[in-house]
Amino acid sequence: GAVVSQHPSRVICKSGTSVKIECRSLDFQATTMFWYRQFPKQSLMLMATSNEGSKATYEQGVEKDKFLINHASLTLSTLTVTSAHPEDSSFYICSAATGPGANVLTFGAGSRLTVL
Amino acid sequence: AQKVTQAQTEISVVEKEDVTLDCVYETRDTTYYLFWYKQPPSGELVFLIRRNSFDEQNEISGRYSWNFQKSTSSFNFTITASQVVDSAVYFCALRDFGNEKLTFGTGTRLTIIP
Repeated sequence: GAVVSQHPSRVICKSGTSVKIECRSLDFQATTMFWYRQFPKQSLMLMATSNEGSKATYEQGVEKDKFLINHASLTLSTLTVTSAHPEDSSFYICSAATGPGANVLTFGAGSRLTVL
Repeated sequence: AQKVTQAQTEISVVEKEDVTLDCVYETRDTTYYLFWYKQPPSGELVFLIRRNSFDEQNEISGRYSWNFQKSTSSFNFTITASQVVDSAVYFCALRDFGNEKLTFGTGTRLTIIP
């Protein structure tokens, strides 16, 4: 079945630094990838939709300059948290679709970011 | 606008008991998909089931069963003979046809007590 690899699984950084999270589709081409954020004991909130070769579409309230998303190839999307602050600490999960109207999204294992 | 409501925040049952997780959804679209995902403590989301809006047939997979009632906009999930490994957070989700965006409910944290 389709596999999505997310790296790193855990990252701790100092306030003010930038952190990059990678999301790779291992055995399929993902035309669309999604980035979600999950606070402790809360639901998953969609941050942005990333389409290969074009700019990401951000959900309302998500700072595009804060959360940079790049989808440069059909198998890789990256989320960069710029100038991270403690309030950015969260669990970030990506998911990938194999094409328009794909029936099931495949999720990565998530990346837990802790900003000190 | 889409909305998914999981009114049960936390449920605890003793092992081997049956448990039902409720999910109520709202959508203006006539064609849509409903999902259940399991999120164990490790964090990854495990796909359990997808149901099309035009297929109201209930489904059973081992100890898991799903009851889709379009008339009440509900898609409930039952685990029979629960086991400790079932302990996780369970999310119900909705997606409109032709749109890959998933709208998640707030999740139900299920604890199975040995």
